[in-house]
Amino acid sequence: SQQGEEDPQALSIQEGENATMNCSYKTSINNLQWYRQNSGRGLVHLILIRSNEREKHSGRLRVTLDTSKKSSSLLITASRAADTASYFCATDGDNTDKLIFGTGTRLQVFP
Amino acid sequence: DVKVTQSSRYLVKRTGEKVFLECVQDMDHENMFWYRQDPGLGLRLIYFSYDVKMKEKGDIPEGYSVSREKKERFSLILESASTNQTSMYLCASSFHREEHEQYFGPGTRLTVT
Repeated sequence: SQQGEEDPQALSIQEGENATMNCSYKTSINNLQWYRQNSGRGLVHLILIRSNEREKHSGRLRVTLDTSKKSSSLLITASRAADTASYFCATDGDNTDKLIFGTGTRLQVFP
Repeated sequence: DVKVTQSSRYLVKRTGEKVFLECVQDMDHENMFWYRQDPGLGLRLIYFSYDVKMKEKGDIPEGYSVSREKKERFSLILESASTNQTSMYLCASSFHREEHEQYFGPGTRLTVT
């Protein structure tokens, strides 16, 4: 049961540009999270946004949440080659202990 | 720092073999999870556990079983490995609370020949 769908599936940009990834989900949520995965490795938690929040910042990351549209976006500003990775959104749906992950956006940042 | 370790980074097994994948976390987390990750399908939950000796099926439990005898350890068992179980297996753990980010291990890439 896939809850989150990321868009685009793949994104290529130059260093210094901003990268925006979008996530849509289907049911009501308590919170939405974004994770990053370097090639062949485990996922790393980036940021969590609660359902009553609209925007959250962490360093070069900015996350927005629109619960009326059931969508979220992750913005990475001034991207670096080291930001090259896959990015996943995850929602808790109707079970606060489980997460449901989307299929991810593959970001390639060229030096 | 939370550490989640998995017993192997790469594993090659033959069809029909019994396979054990082990996961250990050192943060006293209540929840532990096993996922498999395949291209184009994202992460799919196989099994999870809220507590010792407790387990619940995820979205794709068929062909797998799990064991949680100690809080820090969660094992995934492939009773009779098949080629369609070739995949990346990821273990994760989290606290049992509303804002529960998951901490992942490095993954085990299993190939069944």
